[in-house]
Amino acid sequence: DVKVTQSSRYLVKRTGEKVFLECVQDMDHENMFWYRQDPGLGLRLIYFSYDVKMKEKGDIPEGYSVSREKKERFSLILESASTNQTSMYLCASRVTGAPYEQYFGPGTRLTVT
Amino acid sequence: QQQVKQSPQSLIVQKGGISIINCAYENTAFDYFPWYQQFPGKGPALLIAIRPDVSEKKEGRFTISFNKSAKQFSLHIMDSQPGDSATYFCAASATNKLIFGTGTLLAVQP
Repeated sequence: DVKVTQSSRYLVKRTGEKVFLECVQDMDHENMFWYRQDPGLGLRLIYFSYDVKMKEKGDIPEGYSVSREKKERFSLILESASTNQTSMYLCASRVTGAPYEQYFGPGTRLTVT
Repeated sequence: QQQVKQSPQSLIVQKGGISIINCAYENTAFDYFPWYQQFPGKGPALLIAIRPDVSEKKEGRFTISFNKSAKQFSLHIMDSQPGDSATYFCAASATNKLIFGTGTLLAVQP
């Protein structure tokens, strides 16, 4: 089974803090994604990466950055957390050649106070 | 246009009934239309997907109906069960990424 793990299930941070969300996949997938999920807004793509050290902006990249130094690991960074970044963050991965089949982690519920 | 519009936002169905969730899109360049199912506390998981050159795809109790001319597609869950209670997302695939609908919270009452 494909496994995508996220470093924390719940996280509480203060406004202005730098926040790191980590994601690891064990299936050697080339492509990895970060989404945020908010009620009534569905899943919105923040950033994705199709190879090590490669990244592309998604639909809502403002206030976020990413890092992919190893194939299995994709990190989402909130440079200076704000209350409007309180959300559920989901990481996903997929193999190249399966454009619609993404495997998701369980999510990190981030609260910024 | 990269949006996928999904309705209804929530749905209550009696056990044994048919659940129907609808989605509409604008971009004709989308090449796959998957549906994802999400249970509380879990990430979404692929349920079923269809290509735009196919009008219907069935897997067990789950069926996607696709209307290319109307740019609409829908998920039908036959004989709905309490275990089907979850949030369902439609999506469309384009240029290496998925565009998701806003989600439908389905509750199947026993």
